[in-house]
Amino acid sequence: AQSVTQLDSQVPVFEEAPVELRCNYSSSVSVYLFWYVQYPNQGLQLLLKYLSGSTLVKGINGFEAEFNKSQTSFHLRKPSVHISDTAEYFCAVSDPRQAGTALIFGKGTTLSVSS
Amino acid sequence: KAGVTQTPRYLIKTRGQQVTLSCSPISGHRSVSWYQQTPGQGLQFLFEYFSETQRNKGNFPGRFSGRQFSNSRSEMNVSTLELGDSALYLCASSLGQRQPQHFGDGTRLSIL
Repeated sequence: AQSVTQLDSQVPVFEEAPVELRCNYSSSVSVYLFWYVQYPNQGLQLLLKYLSGSTLVKGINGFEAEFNKSQTSFHLRKPSVHISDTAEYFCAVSDPRQAGTALIFGKGTTLSVSS
Repeated sequence: KAGVTQTPRYLIKTRGQQVTLSCSPISGHRSVSWYQQTPGQGLQFLFEYFSETQRNKGNFPGRFSGRQFSNSRSEMNVSTLELGDSALYLCASSLGQRQPQHFGDGTRLSIL
C-alpha cells in the first residue's frame, strides 16, 4: 500500500527567506505526485504535479518540486516566501495503475511566514 | 468557468441522525471524489464516482455512501451519525486520471 510522510508538521520562516517542505512516499511502483495548498476555510488548490518526464516540476506562485526516485522524495521549494504563502501544504500520491483518481495525502505541513 | 460547488457549507446534526451532502462538479468533469478531513486523521479518501458508477472506495464503514447522477452531480450520505463523523467533507472533480482534481470549499459537519 502507498503512503505519504510529510516530515515537518510546522515550518516557521521569515518573509523573503527560502523554504523547503519535505515529502517522502512509500510505494513499490511508479506513482503520480502532487502538492496542494489549503488556505483557512477553503478547499485544496493544486500547486504542481509530477506524472513523468523531467524531475524538476514548476508550479504556481513560484513553487517548484523535485522528484527523486532513489530517495522516494518529492520536496517542495520556494526561493523567497511571502506573508500570503502562510497556509497548510499537502503532498499526495496516486497510483497510475488504478482506473480512478483517488489521492493518498500526507498529514500536512503548516507554513507560517512572518515579517 | 464555475468551480466545484458544495452545499451546504455548514451543517449541525445530532448523533443518530443522517445527513446528505451535495457536490456539483466543474462542467464537463465526470469524475467526482469525496474526502474526509479531520485534525487527527488528516485527509482520507472516501469514494470516487465516474459516470454514475462507484469506481474506488476507501476504508470507511457502510454508513458512508454516495451516488452520482447523470449530470455528474454527486451526493454523499452518512447514516447513524457519530461524534467522530465531525469533519470537513471535501468534494473534488476531475477530467481523468492524469488530470488534476479540483476541490470545492467543503461542507463542515458538526455532530452534537
